[in-house]
Amino acid sequence: EAQVTQNPRYLITVTGKKLTVTCSQNMNHEYMSWYRQDPGLGLRQIYYSMNVEVTDKGDVPEGYKVSRKEKRNFPLILESPSPNQTSLYFCASSLPNTGELFFGEGSRLTVL
Amino acid sequence: AQSVTQLDSQVPVFEEAPVELRCNYSSSVSVYLFWYVQYPNQGLQLLLKYLSGSTLVESINGFEAEFNKSQTSFHLRKPSVHISDTAEYFCAVTPRSGTYKYIFGTGTRLKVLA
Repeated sequence: EAQVTQNPRYLITVTGKKLTVTCSQNMNHEYMSWYRQDPGLGLRQIYYSMNVEVTDKGDVPEGYKVSRKEKRNFPLILESPSPNQTSLYFCASSLPNTGELFFGEGSRLTVL
Repeated sequence: AQSVTQLDSQVPVFEEAPVELRCNYSSSVSVYLFWYVQYPNQGLQLLLKYLSGSTLVESINGFEAEFNKSQTSFHLRKPSVHISDTAEYFCAVTPRSGTYKYIFGTGTRLKVLA
């Protein structure tokens, strides 16, 4: 089954404790991206990657890092999480030029 | 730069009534337009998209949207809604040039009442 898989789905952590949210897709898509969803703000793009070793900042990259060492994986790293990073995070992938994004089921992160 | 405006944050409607969810965008370049739907506790799914050609696009579950270039709008409509249509709907754009920057609206929560 074609899918985008995120882990963990739910996480409660404390300020400053490094964490990684993994994202994996099995559709051989070149493009992958991360979004955060906050009430009243919709989805905002954090980072995106057009291919292996090619990443770029979205609209809200502060406090996040990403890497793309393999085509299928695109982890989101929070080196020192803060409470304002409490949010619902989505990973998505897409073939180039089709426009359609395939989303994971989301990872709800709470930073205390 | 692009922006997307969904003026209605919530839309309550009775079952079998028609509904329109509004989306307006602003962009200095040509864009592709999308509607995504998010059911409770799920990720987003593509509902329909406008890439080129006919300005009226339809989904398999009865929704349709019309691209209006002069009004920079891409409103979503359904002539008769069902309880199962209760969800949050997001309008989104991305430049045709392939910059891969997607801009989403703030979403419209559709609540279908029995």
